[in-house]
Amino acid sequence: AQTVTQSQPEMSVQEAETVTLSCTYDTSESDYYLFWYKQPPSRQMILVIRQEAYKQQNATENRFSVNFQKAAKSFSLKISDSQLGDAAMYFCAYRRLYGKLTFGQGTILTVHP
Amino acid sequence: DAGVIQSPRHEVTEMGQEVTLRCKPISGHNSLFWYRQTMMRGLELLIYFNNNVPIDDSGMPEDRFSAKMPNASFSTLKIQPSEPRDSAVYFCASSPFGGSGGLKETQYFGPGTRLLVL
Repeated sequence: AQTVTQSQPEMSVQEAETVTLSCTYDTSESDYYLFWYKQPPSRQMILVIRQEAYKQQNATENRFSVNFQKAAKSFSLKISDSQLGDAAMYFCAYRRLYGKLTFGQGTILTVHP
Repeated sequence: DAGVIQSPRHEVTEMGQEVTLRCKPISGHNSLFWYRQTMMRGLELLIYFNNNVPIDDSGMPEDRFSAKMPNASFSTLKIQPSEPRDSAVYFCASSPFGGSGGLKETQYFGPGTRLLVL
């Protein structure tokens, strides 16, 4: 079975600084997808970024980028120029080619002004 | 697009009562997922449908839970009878499912229903 591990229950960052959230996963599949979702206090699940395993190039979305290391089964999220609105719970998720998402335990990110 | 719509947003009920949660997926999406979020277990899949057909219901806790998708634009998750341990946030998500195997699908989540069973 696939598992996703986020080893950092909480992280904090100063506004305008950079922070990296860690995620590792376990799978025997060669093709799959990885995601980062953001969950603010409203509880809404918001897609931040997505990575296809067959792509070697790391995905980027504005201030958000990933470091995808397929051999190491690592998928970290880097948030540059952190903003107060980035404060939320962040979930790493894995999915096979189709079907359910398997989520990590989440990392609470606090942004200090 | 209106996004995934869930109702009600909040539900408070007493143990033993029937609870029905509703979901309207994004138009054109033919995969629908029900997830549950609790402090103890995190986010976990309950059931998902492709083209209105249940594909994986291995996450449904027990016979008290049932889900239906009578058409492409509506799904329900029913708990009967409800118990305090069912208190959680229930999310519905939808995604397109491509003919090539869904390589491009991304799941979009609704706002969730916060259920409290007293």
